[in-house]
Amino acid sequence: EPEVTQTPSHQVTQMGQEVILRCVPISNHLYFYWYRQILGQKVEFLVSFYNNEISEKSEIFDDQFSVERPDGSNFTLKIRSTKLEDSAMYFCASSGTGGTYGYTFGSGTRLTVV
Amino acid sequence: AQTVTQSQPEMSVQEAETVTLSCTYDTSESDYYLFWYKQPPSRQMILVIRQEAYKQQNATENRFSVNFQKAAKSFSLKISDSQLGDAAMYFCAYRSAWASGTYKYIFGTGTRLKVLA
Repeated sequence: EPEVTQTPSHQVTQMGQEVILRCVPISNHLYFYWYRQILGQKVEFLVSFYNNEISEKSEIFDDQFSVERPDGSNFTLKIRSTKLEDSAMYFCASSGTGGTYGYTFGSGTRLTVV
Repeated sequence: AQTVTQSQPEMSVQEAETVTLSCTYDTSESDYYLFWYKQPPSRQMILVIRQEAYKQQNATENRFSVNFQKAAKSFSLKISDSQLGDAAMYFCAYRSAWASGTYKYIFGTGTRLKVLA
């Protein structure tokens, strides 16, 4: 069964450093998403991406965040200057229909900012 | 704005028994989608079941079924013949159906299900 692949599975970074989280969505999917889950809390929407542009973003997704689909297969989330409160599990997801039939999620990247 | 509430932080069930996880939501929309996702310790969230709000018939997927009460804005998940592999965090999620609306999912806080041997 097709999978969404995320790398790395765990990343530790110094506060103020830039990080790039990588995702390879399912190849024939058109909609891509990033969600995050702070430990023990709910899963929160960050951003959706369709047709090579952001279709929606949350208030969490401020100027420190950016997304890119650089080569038609990867979908990346960049955090320019990490803060302690960015520590969370970040999930990438993709869908073929805008999510009406559900997303396929990746296994997540645990980001720890120290 | 829509909200999703899961009032049971943790539930336990004996193997082979039946358990029901609760989910309520608040929305002013008439058309939307509801989902249950399972997140085992491996962390990846897996779609369990999906319900379209305009369909009155409750969705079923093998041992998993929902009780969708649109007027009450309730969407509970019933797991029959519980297995050890069902142990996980379960999230309820809402998605608007409006084409001009948001496509994002709104998740509840989750219910941790323990299955006792």
